[in-house]
Amino acid sequence: EGQLLESGGALVPPGGSLRLSCAASGFSFSNYAMSWVRQAPGKGLEWVSAISGSGGDTFYPDSVKGRFTISRDNSKNVVYLQMDSLRVDDTALYYCAEGGTGSYEKWGQGTLVTVSS
Amino acid sequence: QSGLTQPASVSGSPGQSIAISCTGTSRDIGGYDYVSWYQQHPGRAPKLLIFDVSERPSGVSHRFSGSKSGSTASLSISGLQAEDEAVYFCSSYSTGVTFVVFGGGTTLTVL
Repeated sequence: EGQLLESGGALVPPGGSLRLSCAASGFSFSNYAMSWVRQAPGKGLEWVSAISGSGGDTFYPDSVKGRFTISRDNSKNVVYLQMDSLRVDDTALYYCAEGGTGSYEKWGQGTLVTVSS
Repeated sequence: QSGLTQPASVSGSPGQSIAISCTGTSRDIGGYDYVSWYQQHPGRAPKLLIFDVSERPSGVSHRFSGSKSGSTASLSISGLQAEDEAVYFCSSYSTGVTFVVFGGGTTLTVL
């Protein structure tokens, strides 16, 4: 059926950096686009980034473009999210999800990123 | 921040049917058949209920159905059950300022 397991969330000061990881298992990882979606406490969902199955194409909303970088290692079945220049409003639960155009059938349990001084 | 528009809350009694709307623009819902719906219970990850406007993933109850007219999509739930009480989000592929856009979420209360 497939599983996703995020890790790497932590408390970081404004301006800091963090790398999130998402380990995939149980499906043909390299055949699927992958995305990161975040949810601020008590708020709705916000798409953060997406990457094609080969890793050759990446996509970001303006809110994180230039600060976040998505990448993947298909030999390890892992997708990463490098987050730099973090801001207080980046505080959220970050989910890894299988898919690219908004249809996400597989989700991880989320990893919490808190940006605070 | 641009996003899809959903009602903040809806309610219904057990056994009744309800519908949740999701309004966008020609750059998202109106232009593409890539609308999805998610159910989220407290403390849980979202669960995909509908994709490509009206398709149900394997294992999702037939009580959930999706449709679209112009730039407005709808999720219908028939035969309401207590466990349907949750927050529902819509999403769409977009060629606007973001590649994927979500609605703000609708809280369903089963009375």
